[in-house]
Amino acid sequence: GIQVEQSPPDLILQEGANSTLRCNFSDSVNNLQWFHQNPWGQLINLFYIPSGTKQNGRLSATTVATERYSLLYISSSQTTDSGVYFCAALGGSQGNLIFGKGTKLSVKP
Amino acid sequence: NAGVTQTPKFRILKIGQSMTLQCTQDMNHNYMYWYRQDPGMGLKLIYYSVGAGITDKGEVPNGYNVSRSTTEDFPLRLELAAPSQTSVYFCATPQGELFFGEGSRLTVL
Repeated sequence: GIQVEQSPPDLILQEGANSTLRCNFSDSVNNLQWFHQNPWGQLINLFYIPSGTKQNGRLSATTVATERYSLLYISSSQTTDSGVYFCAALGGSQGNLIFGKGTKLSVKP
Repeated sequence: NAGVTQTPKFRILKIGQSMTLQCTQDMNHNYMYWYRQDPGMGLKLIYYSVGAGITDKGEVPNGYNVSRSTTEDFPLRLELAAPSQTSVYFCATPQGELFFGEGSRLTVL
C-alpha cells in the first residue's frame, strides 16, 4: 500500500519564525490532507489539497502530485500553533487515508 | 448538525472486559472509519465501512469487531480487552476531506 513519510519528526521554533513541513508519499494519490492535532488531542482539518496550492491565513500548503510530495508552510508562528501536524494520503482501492507519523511542533514564546 | 459524535470520551476497562465505542454521523456519508492512535504515533486504520451492511478490515483489526446496520452508526466492539488496546480511538467520515469525532480515550488495566 501507499507509504506516507513526514519530516522533520520534531521542530522547535521561536515565536514569529517561519517553517516548512514536508510530506512524501510513495504512489499516486486521489486525496491529500493536512491536520493539526492540538495539545488536547483534537484533530483539526487544515487543508484538503490533492494538488495545487491553498492558503488560509498564516498557513499555506502546496501539493506537487507528479513529484509525490506536499509542503505545509507556517508563517509568523504563534504558541497556539504547537501540536502535531499530520499528513494523510488516500491511495489504493479501499478509500482509506494513510497517515504519516506526524511532525511535532513546539513554538516557544 | 453535530457532524461525527463519539461516546464515551473516556473509559477504563479491566483486562478481559468487553465494551462498545459508539460513533454516529449526521452527514449521510457512506464511508466511515475507525482509527486508533497510540502515544506519539500517527493514526492506524482498524476497520472501515463503505456503506450500510458492508465492513472491511484495515491495518490493525485484531481484537475488534464492527457492524454497520445503518448509514448513521458505526460501533466498534472490543470483546476481550487487553492492555495493548489502550489507545485513543477516532471515528471519521469523509466527503472529500475527512471529518473526525473528538476521540475516545480507552485505558485497559
